[in-house]
Amino acid sequence: DAGVIQSPRHEVTEMGQEVTLRCKPISGHNSLFWYRQTMMRGLELLIYFNNNVPIDDSGMPEDRFSAKMPNASFSTLKIQPSEPRDSAVYFCASTGLSTLGGEQFFGPGTRLTVL
Amino acid sequence: AQSVAQPEDQVKVAEGNPLTVKCTYSVSGNPYLFWYVQYPNRGLQFLLKYITGDNLVKGSYGFEAEFNKSQTSFHLKKPSALVSDSALYFCAVRDNTGFQKLVFGTGTRLLVSP
Repeated sequence: DAGVIQSPRHEVTEMGQEVTLRCKPISGHNSLFWYRQTMMRGLELLIYFNNNVPIDDSGMPEDRFSAKMPNASFSTLKIQPSEPRDSAVYFCASTGLSTLGGEQFFGPGTRLTVL
Repeated sequence: AQSVAQPEDQVKVAEGNPLTVKCTYSVSGNPYLFWYVQYPNRGLQFLLKYITGDNLVKGSYGFEAEFNKSQTSFHLKKPSALVSDSALYFCAVRDNTGFQKLVFGTGTRLLVSP
C-alpha cells in the first residue's frame, strides 16, 4: 500500500490567496483526520470524517477553513483567504476497522508558508 | 475526557544507554494507548500500541512500552539508544467517542548523543 498521500508537499502563497490541500487515505480506511502542527501550538486536530461524513470540526480555527470528503478516497482542506498565521505543516491521517485498536497512519504532510 | 501527559519536553541520553520517555494517561474505561515517532520533516510514524494483554508491548526499531495500570503510565523504553533514535515522540490515547479519534500528548524530544 502506498500509505496516506498528501499534495502538494510544499506550498508557498501570498496572504489573501486561496489554498487547497489534498489527501488520499489508505484504501479501505473509513476515518480521516486533518491535523495542523506548529512550534507554538504543537499538534492540533482540525476536523475528522467517518464514512465521508464530518463528525467534529470544532478544531477548525476560523470560517476561513473548510474541509470536504466527497468520496472515500479523497479529502481537501481549503483556506480562503489565507493569512501568515496559517503557516504550518498540515497532516492528514487515516484509520479503519481493520486496524485493531484504531492506530492512525499519517501522511508526509504539506508545509504551508503564507507570505 | 481521555487525556495523556508527557511531563518532559526533552530527554537526553548517551548512545548505548537505556532510554525512557514518560507518559501518563487519564481515561474512563479501558485505555487504548499508542506511541508515535516523528523524524525531522516527516509525518508521525506509528511505533506500538497497548490494547489488552501483556503489560510489556514490543514495537518497531527495538522500542517497547510498559503499561502500568496502578500508576496510569505507559512509558516508552529502549535498552540501548542509537543516535538515529533522536526524534520527537508522541504518546496518544484513543478517545471514547467511538470514531477512533486519538488524543495526543505534547511530545517529548529525544536527543541521543554519540
